[in-house]
Amino acid sequence: AQTVTQSQPEMSVQEAETVTLSCTYDTSESDYYLFWYKQPPSRQMILVIRQEAYKQQNATENRFSVNFQKAAKSFSLKISDSQLGDAAMYFCAYPVNAGNNRKLIWGLGTSLAVNP
Amino acid sequence: GAGVSQSPSNKVTEKGKDVELRCDPISGHTALYWYRQSLGQGLEFLIYFQGNSAPDKSGLPSDRFSAERTGGSVSTLTIQRTQQEDSAVYLCASSLGWPGDTQYFGPGTRLTVL
Repeated sequence: AQTVTQSQPEMSVQEAETVTLSCTYDTSESDYYLFWYKQPPSRQMILVIRQEAYKQQNATENRFSVNFQKAAKSFSLKISDSQLGDAAMYFCAYPVNAGNNRKLIWGLGTSLAVNP
Repeated sequence: GAGVSQSPSNKVTEKGKDVELRCDPISGHTALYWYRQSLGQGLEFLIYFQGNSAPDKSGLPSDRFSAERTGGSVSTLTIQRTQQEDSAVYLCASSLGWPGDTQYFGPGTRLTVL
């Protein structure tokens, strides 16, 4: 089954601290992509970071980085130097072909609160 | 450039009425997606369009749902005879390609069925 599991429904972090959001997934593919999206209260879903499975190096985008462990099918997001604007829902997702459809499979999300 | 736009941003309707939700993708993006986001249930895929090709409708939750994409650009999601369980946020996204390209999302339409 193609699934994404985010085991932390809610997390909180102090401003300027570091937080890690976890994600595990299930796929039989050998090459694929993984994404973290952010959805602030404004509702606009925004891509945070992407990882190509064939690349061993973990992706990094400024304060955001991932810990990708292919064998364990784990894809965690680390946010360093947390800022108030990082407060949002974070979703882990990966793309699948399903018949003639192409879609992202999503986790249920982690709600991140940033405390001043 | 302009991002993905959706209209209306909010829609309140009575049970049994029909509603139309519109999505304007980013210019040049051939792929367009519709998702539904319900509280506590994550995002549910509804339908995918590639250019002008006929879509696979198997992801639509019932035959009350239909979608079209005119001229490979604007898309409309129509829900007939709305039910209370249709209440959700409907998100549209577009992308240049697949599978590694970013899906750019619109702000969504919040549908409330009374």
